[in-house]
Amino acid sequence: ETGVTQTPRHLVMGMTNKKSLKCEQHLGHNAMYWYKQSAKKPLELMFVYNFKEQTENNSVPSRFSPECPNSSHLFLHLHTLQPEDSALYLCASSQGRSGRARGGELFFGEGSRLTVL
Amino acid sequence: QKEVEQNSGPLSVPEGAIASLNCTYSDRGSQSFFWYRQYSGKSPELIMSIYSNGDKEDGRFTAQLNKASQYVSLLIRDSQPSDSATYLCAVSSAAGNKLTFGGGTRVLVKP
Repeated sequence: ETGVTQTPRHLVMGMTNKKSLKCEQHLGHNAMYWYKQSAKKPLELMFVYNFKEQTENNSVPSRFSPECPNSSHLFLHLHTLQPEDSALYLCASSQGRSGRARGGELFFGEGSRLTVL
Repeated sequence: QKEVEQNSGPLSVPEGAIASLNCTYSDRGSQSFFWYRQYSGKSPELIMSIYSNGDKEDGRFTAQLNKASQYVSLLIRDSQPSDSATYLCAVSSAAGNKLTFGGGTRVLVKP
């Protein structure tokens, strides 16, 4: 395994379902991120974890719940989502905090394409 | 006002020509600037970072930064069809705790 891996790659869920997205990085980085990418909108930062501590929550609705058990793993728990939450969810990692020099050098996973019915 | 602005394109360039992409940002205290490339259906990948005013060259790519004008650009020399992608500009916050992306410029290189 190399880089940043995300599972599942595709997910279809109903509004009452509970599901989780998983991300694992094999780069030895200390910061991990969740981004949301919707059609015709810029990448939106959702959460930042630095040394498994949450350092940024970008006003994300509580139906999205992140979990970072260690510096290599990151989860996004989903429950009672809305159709407008359908998007590509990207996990990324970096050596250093986002915004600082090397912290802006993000390595992205391939993403989890979420469809909410 | 958007924090990081890019022309959405598409920017159409003939093969072998220079593609010029522009990005402006609103946070005057920003210190770190990045260009990412995203192929259709794929995730973004970092291609350039620049931290000081002036030019930085890496192969066929040149990043240019002008902090006084709050402007960063990317030049792609000898454009190839494989350069066809969306290019995302990303800028750090002055506090250094947040990276903000622009909407991206779609580039089409025609053979």
